[in-house]
Amino acid sequence: AQSVSQHNHHVILSEAASLELGCNYSYGGTVNLFWYVQYPGQHLQLLLKYFSGDPLVKGIKGFEAEFIKSKFSFNLRKPSVQWSDTAEYFCAVNAGTSGTYKYLFGTGTRLKVLA
Amino acid sequence: DAGVTQSPTHLIKTRGQHVTLRCSPISGHKSVSWYQQVLGQGPQFIFQYYEKEERGRGNFPDRFSARQFPNYSSELNVNALLLGDSALYLCASSYRLAEYEQYFGPGTRLTVT
Repeated sequence: AQSVSQHNHHVILSEAASLELGCNYSYGGTVNLFWYVQYPGQHLQLLLKYFSGDPLVKGIKGFEAEFIKSKFSFNLRKPSVQWSDTAEYFCAVNAGTSGTYKYLFGTGTRLKVLA
Repeated sequence: DAGVTQSPTHLIKTRGQHVTLRCSPISGHKSVSWYQQVLGQGPQFIFQYYEKEERGRGNFPDRFSARQFPNYSSELNVNALLLGDSALYLCASSYRLAEYEQYFGPGTRLTVT
């Protein structure tokens, strides 16, 4: 079955620490990959996306992610987190054929950054 | 430009009742998707519509249905409500299908008692 797995459910870091959130997906065909973030009290918003090309993609607020096709992974990274990065992060996959698509989200990772 | 709007914001219904949720996409966006998000989980895909046609469906029972209107707004209908339908229902719009990011609305919080 198609799925998206986020292995870290809760992460606590101090400011300036490096961040890596894991995301693995299960789907054999072509996929589009996304990371969304939800800050407290706000809507889901896009951090970054991968459709094709350079597997290292850069997003907003200093975030980046690397698509490793052989590992079915799309991990999110940030070299130095800030208190304002406290939020919930969701990995998502869009996959389909013949004009019919499904979107799959992971269960999310709650990140708390300590000042 | 206004973002994705959803109505109502909150709703309380009784088991067995029917509910209609509404979504207006960002101007120019032709695709609308619906998601269910229960506490502690990621959004679960329900439907995607593009140009008034259903183009994707998640694993939800037939009690869930949707449609998209000529102005690209959309309705999600849920019949015979169950307690387990209590959730935040999110609408997202995108310019077209697949290789376009989705913009999410604030959601409708549905409580079934």
